[in-house]
Amino acid sequence: GAVVSQHPSWVICKSGTSVKIECRSLDFQATTMFWYRQFPKQSLMLMATSNEGSKATYEQGVEKDKFLINHASLTLSTLTVTSAHPEDSSFYICSASGARGFRTEAFFGQGTRLTVV
Amino acid sequence: AQRVTQPEKLLSVFKGAPVELKCNYSYSGSPELFWYVQYSRQRLQLLLRHISRESIKGFTADLNKGETSFHLKKPFAQEEDSAMYYCALSGSSNTGKLIFGQGTTLQVKP
Repeated sequence: GAVVSQHPSWVICKSGTSVKIECRSLDFQATTMFWYRQFPKQSLMLMATSNEGSKATYEQGVEKDKFLINHASLTLSTLTVTSAHPEDSSFYICSASGARGFRTEAFFGQGTRLTVV
Repeated sequence: AQRVTQPEKLLSVFKGAPVELKCNYSYSGSPELFWYVQYSRQRLQLLLRHISRESIKGFTADLNKGETSFHLKKPFAQEEDSAMYYCALSGSSNTGKLIFGQGTTLQVKP
């Protein structure tokens, strides 16, 4: 149980286009999902916290108009990179917060590698 | 400021040698500390959390509040332990939001 799936696993897009990445919790309801960005050989940087049915909370320095987050249901959050540029190329990872017993645990998707050319 | 520091980017040991992956944190309240592992081409997965005080795959980690450390240890490294290890911190409310350290690549040589 507690599987989080991201789609697509990788995507290449042209500069100026928009790309949507999906994050789904397959077997549990996730009221909260998180989006991270990981540069090569660097740590995961939290971009935003996504709560079902409300606006996402963005971390300092993350452009909310650039990275649109929608969390329309308890099992799906989407991240749309708008007007992508080569500097947006990165590895994007989502996690979904769910209960395992009496504890809250974050379960991670497999990540999406975005390459903007 | 909330911060997690892993001072070593790469730790290389021989099979059977002891391993210690260092992690220090900065947090004003009572955080929950985690170790996550990422094997090659796999997703991030939870290895252990400090409140469980468990030993997973032979790894243990003790929270030292005085030194604000949460070092990961294993007495005898195995080749299959080779992976990227991330120390992470969650606030006292633990909503699943995590602050990660830079990560340490553990390389266990035969």
